[in-house]
Amino acid sequence: AQKITQTQPGMFVQEKEAVTLDCTYDTSDPSYGLFWYKQPSSGEMIFLIYQGSYDQQNATEGRYSLNFQKARKSANLVISASQLGDSAMYFCAMREGDQAGTALIFGKGTTLSVSS
Amino acid sequence: GAVVSQHPSWVICKSGTSVKIECRSLDFQATTMFWYRQFPKQSLMLMATSNEGSKATYEQGVEKDKFLINHASLTLSTLTVTSAHPEDSSFYICSAYGTRSTDTQYFGPGTRLTVL
Repeated sequence: AQKITQTQPGMFVQEKEAVTLDCTYDTSDPSYGLFWYKQPSSGEMIFLIYQGSYDQQNATEGRYSLNFQKARKSANLVISASQLGDSAMYFCAMREGDQAGTALIFGKGTTLSVSS
Repeated sequence: GAVVSQHPSWVICKSGTSVKIECRSLDFQATTMFWYRQFPKQSLMLMATSNEGSKATYEQGVEKDKFLINHASLTLSTLTVTSAHPEDSSFYICSAYGTRSTDTQYFGPGTRLTVL
């Protein structure tokens, strides 16, 4: 079974609108971390936001927020007020266990296209 | 600014030659480095984990004799693709974990390898 599932290969949104990118995860470890990365066409991986499994509140970073629903094992990324520069590939990733130096498991990604 | 660098950023080589890719942590000591591989429009797949001063741990299906990893110092890990073939053409990305953050791994900008 896939550990990280991103069901939306592509998403389209207009500038200034909000968009939600879906991510579900599967782990039996009670301690884990969830990440979202943005990958523009240049290929670099840009860290956006992090949510720990024991965090009580949803993480927020500027225009990015993570809608963490632990019981449903979902960690959707919400981008508010989309900008043209948000067009990129977005990856959800998970680190299992409480050791930060553990490799990340990535989903297949969602391509976001923002139009004017 | 970038905290992990990769060199070269792109390389084209002939089939049968070996290519070395460097991954450096610029302002912290990286006790663990990860090497990922990414085919076009696909996810990042972990190839191996390297800890400074010890042998790398390879993921299932990754040939350790073909992809040689050396983590000789706390700031440098190298990936050597030996006897490269066109099917090795891919985007190779490293990430590093160490003394800079307790939660986050830092990704390098990636190296695009094309084998003719």
